[in-house]
Amino acid sequence: GENVEQHPSTLSVQEGDSAVIKCTYSDSASNYFPWYKQELGKRPQLIIDIRSNVGEKKDQRIAVTLNKTAKHFSLHITETQPEDSAVYFCAASFPPNTGNQFYFGTGTSLTVIP
Amino acid sequence: DAGVIQSPRHEVTEMGQEVTLRCKPISGHNSLFWYRQTMMRGLELLIYFNNNVPIDDSGMPEDRFSAKMPNASFSTLKIQPSEPRDSAVYFCASSLGTGITEAFFGQGTRLTVV
Repeated sequence: GENVEQHPSTLSVQEGDSAVIKCTYSDSASNYFPWYKQELGKRPQLIIDIRSNVGEKKDQRIAVTLNKTAKHFSLHITETQPEDSAVYFCAASFPPNTGNQFYFGTGTSLTVIP
Repeated sequence: DAGVIQSPRHEVTEMGQEVTLRCKPISGHNSLFWYRQTMMRGLELLIYFNNNVPIDDSGMPEDRFSAKMPNASFSTLKIQPSEPRDSAVYFCASSLGTGITEAFFGQGTRLTVV
């Protein structure tokens, strides 16, 4: 199966600064890369995603970039706020003949210091 | 739609007992996933169904774990016998399974084996 690596495992930033989380994947067939945010005690929820035919996607303060050649993708959060504090998971998905499979990174615990 | 529904939300059981976790995916979703989340290992994919058929169960840790999906609206994950190291949060997720779509997570079941 796919192998997704995520760095860093923990990240602390001052409120207003930017945060960057990076992931790599192993299977070149992967073509969908969602990012999930998990607040304490809650379920992971999708915050942004990117498909392999796109290099960059932005939604207000969050953006994701994808480098297919290098098999890297990254999450960028600008102007961080305390409510951005959570665990963030990247994932890679590829559609074999029988639906999609999702493989997750190990997560990044982001703390935004007021 | 109420989203992916898991039960129970919390389960405390004694070592050696059988545990059954339940999941109702979103109506119309063809793919269903069982994940286990721990601090040490993050989100691990245990098993994945497409159209009620198990496609990939390579993540199931050992024979004590089994999963079924008797119909499109119900799945179970069973652990027999349970062990303390099985303590974790177990998430069920579903997706449309056709094309590239996100996975929606249930609220999770927090399992404690004492």
